[in-house]
Amino acid sequence: DQQVKQNSPSLSVQEGRISILNCDYTNSMFDYFLWYKKYPAEGPTFLISISSIKDKNEDGRFTVFLNKSAKHLSLHIVPSQPGDSAVYFCAASARNNAGNMLTFGGGTRLMVKP
Amino acid sequence: DTGVSQNPRHKITKRGQNVTFRCDPISEHNRLYWYRQTLGQGPEFLTYFQNEAQLEKSRLLSDRFSAERPKGSFSTLEIQRTEQGDSAMYLCASSPQVMYGYTFGSGTRLTVV
Repeated sequence: DQQVKQNSPSLSVQEGRISILNCDYTNSMFDYFLWYKKYPAEGPTFLISISSIKDKNEDGRFTVFLNKSAKHLSLHIVPSQPGDSAVYFCAASARNNAGNMLTFGGGTRLMVKP
Repeated sequence: DTGVSQNPRHKITKRGQNVTFRCDPISEHNRLYWYRQTLGQGPEFLTYFQNEAQLEKSRLLSDRFSAERPKGSFSTLEIQRTEQGDSAMYLCASSPQVMYGYTFGSGTRLTVV
């Protein structure tokens, strides 16, 4: 049972345009959500996070939106740059999870074309 | 501080052999995690340490897997009698006591032939 899903395995965007990556979850106990970026041969790198008490969090070119009623979150990258080309994972954690284990989605490969 | 270090980066082993991976976390981080990532999938939780205590183990961690973190410093993950299905990237991560964004290492890619 996949509790966190990223339904688009890949996304191609022109440089300068907006990239929108989507993530759906099923576990209503999740209350903290994160996005990680992964380049080949490297481990995932933390990008941005959002608590369930918020519906938006912004950090420079990156904004994460959370729709709790739809159990959906999205990552917007504006403007997209070729260096943003990577695999993006969304992840979720539950408040009663004392160990702070993360449940990851399957990833979306973003390709930003110059 | 050079981040989370994992060794080796790559390991090729024959089916049935034992392998051991090492993770050196960021020194002030008392939480250490092991995840496994297979091709086309996201990382899956394996186990978690707070200091030297192993507090959680996933059902993915069969009896052939064992992890240790002596003295709450580095950690080792051992796989006994490797199987082809064990081929994956093994990722280690660490975090301070209260923080959700882990720092991951670059991983150890295991190939069982």
